[in-house]
Amino acid sequence: GAGVSQSPRYKVAKRGQDVALRCDPISGHVSLFWYQQALGQGPEFLTYFQNEAQLDKSGLPSDRFFAERPEGSVSTLKIQRTQQEDSAVYLCASSPAKNIQYFGAGTRLSVL
Amino acid sequence: AQRVTQPEKLLSVFKGAPVELKCNYSYSGSPELFWYVQYSRQRLQLLLRHISRESIKGFTADLNKGETSFHLKKPFAQEEDSAMYYCALREAAGNKLTFGGGTRVLVKP
Repeated sequence: GAGVSQSPRYKVAKRGQDVALRCDPISGHVSLFWYQQALGQGPEFLTYFQNEAQLDKSGLPSDRFFAERPEGSVSTLKIQRTQQEDSAVYLCASSPAKNIQYFGAGTRLSVL
Repeated sequence: AQRVTQPEKLLSVFKGAPVELKCNYSYSGSPELFWYVQYSRQRLQLLLRHISRESIKGFTADLNKGETSFHLKKPFAQEEDSAMYYCALREAAGNKLTFGGGTRVLVKP
């Protein structure tokens, strides 16, 4: 079956632009996670959804970052007024309840 | 707060030699530990988890609570083992993963 799908794969934004990153989890997976991976580092947790409820957003670095999952399936991570330090790979993962997390291929964001 | 440390950024070994990737963690409770692997141009995928206590692709890892370590070992490295390896921790009552910085393994012929 299909895995976690993320789009776009690559995004180039000018500083100050807003961007939206999409994640299509594996069908039926209750939990959805967003991670940020800076160059040369491990992934860092941003936020977690259980169905449509955002249960943990403690990793979001600023109020410019916003995530939603309105119908408990597809999720969007939005970054407003992008800054150079937002350049990273954004990873989405989904899992069936509290279980193994399956990762998407990521979206590489470059802010110029 | 929990923390995962992978002290080696790069490990270079010859094919057939043993390889050990170190992972140390700091967490006061009973964590669940994982090793994830990312092969070239592929997505991050689970290699093994400590509660399974199984060997995957010849790799094993033992959770040592006394030393707060979860080192990954393989007795005879193969060229296809060349990849990035990440150690990760999940709190007992939590959901998110805390990752180490990763170790790049290069297996030379």
